[in-house]
Amino acid sequence: DVKVTQSSRYLVKRTGEKVFLECVQDMDHENMFWYRQDPGLGLRLIYFSYDVKMKEKGDIPEGYSVSREKKERFSLILESASTNQTSMYLCASSSEGLSSYNEQFFGPGTRLTVL
Amino acid sequence: TQLLEQSPQFLSIQEGENLTVYCNSSSVFSSLQWYRQEPGEGPVLLVTVVTGGEVKKLKRLTFQFGDARKDSSLHITAAQPGDTGLYLCAGAQGAGSYQLTFGKGTKLSVIP
Repeated sequence: DVKVTQSSRYLVKRTGEKVFLECVQDMDHENMFWYRQDPGLGLRLIYFSYDVKMKEKGDIPEGYSVSREKKERFSLILESASTNQTSMYLCASSSEGLSSYNEQFFGPGTRLTVL
Repeated sequence: TQLLEQSPQFLSIQEGENLTVYCNSSSVFSSLQWYRQEPGEGPVLLVTVVTGGEVKKLKRLTFQFGDARKDSSLHITAAQPGDTGLYLCAGAQGAGSYQLTFGKGTKLSVIP
């Protein structure tokens, strides 16, 4: 059974704090993604990675950074959290195999509140 | 910029009714996926359609990919409260592209 796990389901942080969100997948997938989801705005891509140590900016990378030191793990970092980063954060992974149609498998999400 | 427009945005129906959700674009996609997301959870993949005109059935859910591979529909027969959730469509560009283009979703409420 495919599995993507995220380090926390709920997180409350203060403005200015450094925040780490971790995501682990056990499917040996090459690609990993970080999205945020807000009412009325849908899923917006923050960053993605297609290989270890490789990263690409998505649509809204400002205020975020990422790290991928191992294939199974993809971390999202908020260097200095702000209230407008309060959101639901979703991690996903996908395979590059020949039978893949770029289907993404999602973790359960982290509901982050920045006070 | 490629967009996927989903309609309706919100749908509230009685248990036992039928419904159809639409996903439209001016762009061609190599494949299209449908996800369901329950409150507080991540999206779960329901189905992938690949061929223009393709129809796939998943119990009471019927998915169709348009002939030109620009649009798709999801039809639910005899909706149940367990069908409640956010339905998302997502299009893939094909080889060499890792990303998906997501619609904003249709929020379905099935009232017992």
